Amino acid sequence: DQQVKQNSPSLSVQEGRISILNCDYTNSMFDYFLWYKKYPAEGPTFLISISSIKDKNEDGRFTVFLNKSAKHLSLHIVPSQPGDSAVYFCAARGTPDSSNTGKLIFGQGTTLQVKP
Amino acid sequence: NAGVTQTPKFRILKIGQSMTLQCTQDMNHNYMYWYRQDPGMGLKLIYYSVGAGITDKGEVPNGYNVSRSTTEDFPLRLELAAPSQTSVYFCASSYPGPSRRYTFGSGTRLTVV
Repeated sequence: DQQVKQNSPSLSVQEGRISILNCDYTNSMFDYFLWYKKYPAEGPTFLISISSIKDKNEDGRFTVFLNKSAKHLSLHIVPSQPGDSAVYFCAARGTPDSSNTGKLIFGQGTTLQVKP
Repeated sequence: NAGVTQTPKFRILKIGQSMTLQCTQDMNHNYMYWYRQDPGMGLKLIYYSVGAGITDKGEVPNGYNVSRSTTEDFPLRLELAAPSQTSVYFCASSYPGPSRRYTFGSGTRLTVV
C-alpha cells in the first residue's frame, strides 16, 4: 500500500527551463510534506517543505505547491541547472502515533536529468 | 560537524552470515531511523527510536534487530542474511517537532550472495 506515490520514475529537461516533479498521496491525515534530493553514493538531503495549512512555499529557485483537495503536491525548479540532476524524493509526515514520532513516508523517487 | 556517520560503506555477505551496520550521530538528536532503499521502491522504514532505550518496528522489520543504548548510536543487526536483504541502507536522525527534517548518513550498500 503505497501512501506516497511519485508516478514518474524519470524526467529530462533542458538547462534554463522549468522542472516539475509530481507527488500524490492517499492519506488525508498527512500534515507536513517534504522534498529530499539525493546524489549518487550520498544520503538524501532536505530541500524544501510545506505544511498542510499552506498551499505554496518558495525558497530561491525551488517552489512547492500543495493541492489538498487533489492530494497532490509538486516541486517546481526554475531555472533548472545541470547541478540539479539528482533523484528527488517526496515525503509525508505520517499521522502522529502514541509516541508522536510522525515518521516520514517516502515516495519512490524521480530521477531528474538537466541537460546543458 | 560530522552529522550522521554510517559504516561500512560497502559489504558483501554470504547467505546465512550476520553483520551489524553502524550508525552514529553527533547532533544530539532524539529520533533515529533505519531505512532501506530498493530500486524503484523508495525508502522503506525498518526500525526507529525516539530515544535511548526505546525502539520500535517500522514497515519492514523482519530479519533485522536494533538497539539504542546511547543517544548517539543506533546499530542495525542483520541475522541470517538473505538475498532479499540486498539493498542500500540509510540511517537518519531528527529532532522532535513538526518539520521532521531528517539528516541522513551516506548509506551502506549491502549485497547478499
